[in-house]
Amino acid sequence: TQLLEQSPQFLSIQEGENLTVYCNSSSVFSSLQWYRQEPGEGPVLLVTVVTGGEVKKLKRLTFQFGDARKDSSLHITAAQPGDTGLYLCADPSTSGTYKYIFGTGTRLKVLA
Amino acid sequence: SQTIHQWPATLVQPVGSPLSLECTVEGTSNPNLYWYRQAAGRGLQLLFYSVGIGQISSEVPQNLSASRPQDRQFILSSKKLLLSDSGFYLCAWSSQVAGELFFGEGSRLTVL
Repeated sequence: TQLLEQSPQFLSIQEGENLTVYCNSSSVFSSLQWYRQEPGEGPVLLVTVVTGGEVKKLKRLTFQFGDARKDSSLHITAAQPGDTGLYLCADPSTSGTYKYIFGTGTRLKVLA
Repeated sequence: SQTIHQWPATLVQPVGSPLSLECTVEGTSNPNLYWYRQAAGRGLQLLFYSVGIGQISSEVPQNLSASRPQDRQFILSSKKLLLSDSGFYLCAWSSQVAGELFFGEGSRLTVL
């Protein structure tokens, strides 16, 4: 059974700081997605990465897919209070099936 | 445009009572449908998914069941709730393998 471990589990930082969160798998990803979830709502897709070594940028967010496609990172530059939320990585096609398996999550709080 | 609705949004049920959560998708046909459960501040646990009417795949053995009586309707049920069934339940859909997963607003269940 594939496990997606995210670290750190919790992160509290001041506005303007940089941070990186990680997603690691026991198996190779075919592709990987990052979602952000705000309290009381469903997660919303931020990005999908497909190719090993791929880097994608979304404003102040930089997503990197490991060369071996077993890990990924999300880097936020100059964090803002609006970045607060739960960040989840997901494998959208576990073992070639229709299953979406999510990671354990990183809860980020950005203080003004 | 496509929308997804689930209800009820909140419910408090006694141990041993039945459960029915309903989810409907509009604006698309033959979606892949999913039920997830989320413990407070943590990742999403996949409970069931369906790729077509009457086709249900169960991921976690438990006292919950799911049904898909119509193409765009997905129901989560239990005959007798346990305390451990408390949580935030999310319905989701996707239109293609490994595509974006769209979530409903969630249903918060408290079992007393």
